[in-house]
Amino acid sequence: GENVEQHPSTLSVQEGDSAVIKCTYSDSASNYFPWYKQELGKGPQLIIDIRSNVGEKKDQRIAVTLNKTAKHFSLHITETQPEDSAVYFCAASNPSNYQLIWGAGTKLIIKP
Amino acid sequence: NAGVTQTPKFRVLKTGQSMTLLCAQDMNHEYMYWYRQDPGMGLRLIHYSVGEGTTAKGEVPDGYNVSRLKKQNFLLGLESAAPSQTSVYFCASSYEALLYEQYFGPGTRLTVT
Repeated sequence: GENVEQHPSTLSVQEGDSAVIKCTYSDSASNYFPWYKQELGKGPQLIIDIRSNVGEKKDQRIAVTLNKTAKHFSLHITETQPEDSAVYFCAASNPSNYQLIWGAGTKLIIKP
Repeated sequence: NAGVTQTPKFRVLKTGQSMTLLCAQDMNHEYMYWYRQDPGMGLRLIHYSVGEGTTAKGEVPDGYNVSRLKKQNFLLGLESAAPSQTSVYFCASSYEALLYEQYFGPGTRLTVT
């Protein structure tokens, strides 16, 4: 079945710098790759997603890139701000079932 | 518009006790999901439902049962709780299948002693 690996587990960056979180997946049939942000004590919330027919997608300071050949996708956050501090999860879906397979999460710390 | 709500927020059970977690959504979503979240393991799907009256097993269904008698509600039951079921449980819903955003509830923290 699908397996999603996420790195790093913790990322600490200076406010204003960029942050990059990477995920790899194993099932070449996966076609949907969302990123969720989870703040302390809350449920995850979708921040951006990408489908397999697209290589890159941007939304203000957030971007996601997808390399289908290498089976990896990345989240890029530019000009980081204190409110970006949270746990970020990547996920991958397989059209043969209704399941999202999740990465283990990255705790992003923005240092003032 | 409350979105997805979960009750209770916290619960402590003794081994062998049973309980039901309730999830409710007011967005008229067809799909609903129950996940558990453990440190360092991300989210794992327990059971899901593709519509009223339907349920299906996810990645880690053992020890849990679910019911979807009404479209807006999805219940997760633990018949005989075990310490391994200590976790944070999240309910989510989505308009259609996986290519659409999942909306999550605030979670239920369950401790089994």
